[in-house]
Amino acid sequence: AQSVSQHNHHVILSEAASLELGCNYSYGGTVNLFWYVQYPGQHLQLLLKYFSGDPLVKGIKGFEAEFIKSKFSFNLRKPSVQWSDTAEYFCAVKDGNNRLAFGKGNQVVVIP
Amino acid sequence: DAGITQSPRYKITETGRQVTLMCHQTWSHSYMFWYRQDLGHGLRLIYYSAAADITDKGEVPDGYVVSRSKTENFPLTLESATRSQTSVYFCASSEGVQGGYGYTFGSGTRLTVV
Repeated sequence: AQSVSQHNHHVILSEAASLELGCNYSYGGTVNLFWYVQYPGQHLQLLLKYFSGDPLVKGIKGFEAEFIKSKFSFNLRKPSVQWSDTAEYFCAVKDGNNRLAFGKGNQVVVIP
Repeated sequence: DAGITQSPRYKITETGRQVTLMCHQTWSHSYMFWYRQDLGHGLRLIYYSAAADITDKGEVPDGYVVSRSKTENFPLTLESATRSQTSVYFCASSEGVQGGYGYTFGSGTRLTVV
């Protein structure tokens, strides 16, 4: 079964700082990877996804992620965060039955 | 574009009662899913469905029942609610298995079992 590990569950940083969230996955099949964001009190929304091609994926709101197959990683980055990026971020991997397995999430707080 | 609708948004029920959470999608997506979200656990899959009348267990199915008689609806029933089932429940749908398809989530149901 697939699994996802996310590190640094709580991250606090100031506006304009750079953000990087780590994600490592375990899955033996074709890899489909996702990052979702959950703003306070809201549902999950797709930030970006990787399923083939260029390992550097650009998503919404200035986020990007890099798939490194040799490291089983799919880290999320943003060069300069804003207060509105305060949210919980989830990495997920999809299996061959279309089931998503999520990591436990990173709670990110951006201080104005 | 109604998308995916969950009801109710909030529910308080007593231990031992049966409660059903509703999920309705307007896209005719083949796949539908139920997750629960708990602090420290992230999202865990309860049940999923690949099509009408096809359902299967996820990671934490005990105490839950699902049905899918129509493509657009995927209700989740707690047969006899327990306090450990206090959680936020999210329904999601997906077009298909192909890699490019992600999930679209509903707004969630916050269930409290007292």
